[in-house]
Amino acid sequence: QVQLVQSGPEVKKPGASVKVSCKASGYTFSSYGVSWVRQAPGQGLEWIGWISASNGDTKYAHKLQGRVTMTTDTSTSTAYMELRRLRSDDTAVYYCARLVAGPFGFDYWGQGTLVTASS
Amino acid sequence: DIQLTQSPSFLSASVGDRVTITCRASQDITSYLVWYQQKPGKAPKRLIYAASTLQSGVPSRFSGSGSGTEFTLTISSLQPEDFATYYCQQFNTLFGGGTKVEIK
Repeated sequence: QVQLVQSGPEVKKPGASVKVSCKASGYTFSSYGVSWVRQAPGQGLEWIGWISASNGDTKYAHKLQGRVTMTTDTSTSTAYMELRRLRSDDTAVYYCARLVAGPFGFDYWGQGTLVTASS
Repeated sequence: DIQLTQSPSFLSASVGDRVTITCRASQDITSYLVWYQQKPGKAPKRLIYAASTLQSGVPSRFSGSGSGTEFTLTISSLQPEDFATYYCQQFNTLFGGGTKVEIK
């Protein structure tokens, strides 16, 4: 069965970087994209960006361009999302999700990773 | 950038009620509209994709309609397990602000 398993919670100081991993199983990793979404406490869903697992193409939300980098390791079927120069308002649960090309959205999601940016 | 406006942001309803949530896009997004349900502490769950196609395993009381700029999610008879927050999403990117459905 398809599973996306994310790395554990992180606590970082403002200005630091965080890298969250998302290990996929149960499907051909390179046949789908991986999207990242975050949710601040008590807030709605915010799209961060996506990466093609077949060719590494990326697209990031304007708001986070310059601070976010998404990568994949096809040898381990793992996607990564790195966010730099953390601010307190980056505190959120970060989700990875499998992206199906076309008008299909995200059909499988990771369990979420809480990233806390606090001094 | 395309804007996505979801309404209402909060809805109070009783078990058995018919519930309708609307999502409006600022530009034509054809059928690139997906609906999700999220319960507290859980990841979102896809309910409807391509504006009107029901995800396998999702009860038939959920339905989606619309194309272009106006879309609707309807729950024909609200059940206790449907109390949650619902989000629309366009072009696999921007999400609507969410609709929290609570018990009246």
